[in-house]
Amino acid sequence: GAGVSQSPRYKVTKRGQDVALRCDPISGHVSLYWYRQALGQGPEFLTYFNYEAQQDKSGLPNDRFSAERPEGSISTLTIQRTEQRDSAMYRCASSQGGGDQPQHFGDGTRLSIL
Amino acid sequence: QKEVEQDPGPLSVPEGAIVSLNCTYSNSAFQYFMWYRQYSRKGPELLMYTYSSGNKEDGRFTAQVDKSSKYISLFIRDSQPSDSATYLCAMLNDYKLSFGAGTTVTVRA
Repeated sequence: GAGVSQSPRYKVTKRGQDVALRCDPISGHVSLYWYRQALGQGPEFLTYFNYEAQQDKSGLPNDRFSAERPEGSISTLTIQRTEQRDSAMYRCASSQGGGDQPQHFGDGTRLSIL
Repeated sequence: QKEVEQDPGPLSVPEGAIVSLNCTYSNSAFQYFMWYRQYSRKGPELLMYTYSSGNKEDGRFTAQVDKSSKYISLFIRDSQPSDSATYLCAMLNDYKLSFGAGTTVTVRA
């Protein structure tokens, strides 16, 4: 596609449910990133993939959060046993390579935990 | 203290004015410096991408980097109502971006 595509755009779920957020990067981009953005703040790093390998997951808040990119393209961020504090905008970005390449963002998934 | 500090504003200017935005940072490891524009309900859109100290110009936009002072700026000349958005500075160390909080700009027609 022309840009980074994220789905769903909005997700409302009850506390304790699991959620899966999907990211489809720009075609040909080998690096993929997940960020979380609170209202009135800039995005904060969660995790980074180079091809299918998860290179850094240091930003994931706890072990309820996990991410995968099994074929080096589409990625899924999964949150188990959701809590209200998980409510935020989750953003995905991709770049042609890692390191110094500019990152391009999708429009995000707004997650609300009731 | 945050690694990247940015005045959240808001900033309101008349059409045609120069908009001046800036960020300071504390981490000397930052190698690349970016400005993103974010419209309401949209993702951040890359505007400017710089590496070295100095100026970079792209149309009405000028980005300045002063690594010795750990200070970056974005200037928007001849501002238009369509420039109304939140502007985020971002800094790259390896693959990890660190963002400022964003400055909300309104350009009044």
